[in-house]
Amino acid sequence: DTEVTQTPKHLVMGMTNKKSLKCEQHMGHRAMYWYKQKAKKPPELMFVYSYEKLSINESVPSRFSPECPNSSLLNLHLHALQPEDSALYLCASTQGVGYTFGSGTRLTVV
Amino acid sequence: QKEVEQDPGPLSVPEGAIVSLNCTYSNSAFQYFMWYRQYSRKGPELLMYTYSSGNKEDGRFTAQVDKSSKYISLFIRDSQPSDSATYLCAMTLNSGGYQKVTFGTGTKLQVIP
Repeated sequence: DTEVTQTPKHLVMGMTNKKSLKCEQHMGHRAMYWYKQKAKKPPELMFVYSYEKLSINESVPSRFSPECPNSSLLNLHLHALQPEDSALYLCASTQGVGYTFGSGTRLTVV
Repeated sequence: QKEVEQDPGPLSVPEGAIVSLNCTYSNSAFQYFMWYRQYSRKGPELLMYTYSSGNKEDGRFTAQVDKSSKYISLFIRDSQPSDSATYLCAMTLNSGGYQKVTFGTGTKLQVIP
């Protein structure tokens, strides 16, 4: 298995909703990442998990809450988002050089 | 000045052409140099990476790094319509025990049949 699987592929949520994004990999990678990508922009790093511990938080607002339940799973919990949070949310993993990215969750906040 | 500069394009070429995609960078501490391909509404896919100055070839793709000029390139030979995508250069730096990645802004390539 050489994939990073993200669910759901698309999500529309209201500003008062709570939702979660899920990411799964079975490559044994011990570093996992959440990135946010706006249209025609490069991915922006949000969080880094290394060996299931949060090691980097790039000053992300608290309405985004990451969680790493085990070495294969990464979640991103969303609450009280703003319309400007609409973007493609990418999960990635690595065991060295170069990331394996998932296909992303396209999030629209209405 | 941005750490990594990449021409956003769009770049439009006929099928079979040789494509040259380029990035410049300012931080001489960057260690690995990578190229990702991103199709519309998909995540980026790692194409190639290299560590040292010189050329690295993989099929129709050649990655070139010139550390003295702080310049990297990706050449695509015999370009195909399926190569139409956005190409992101990326560079890594060892930062606090993890590889921090800086992406270029991406070049959108269209190969016309």
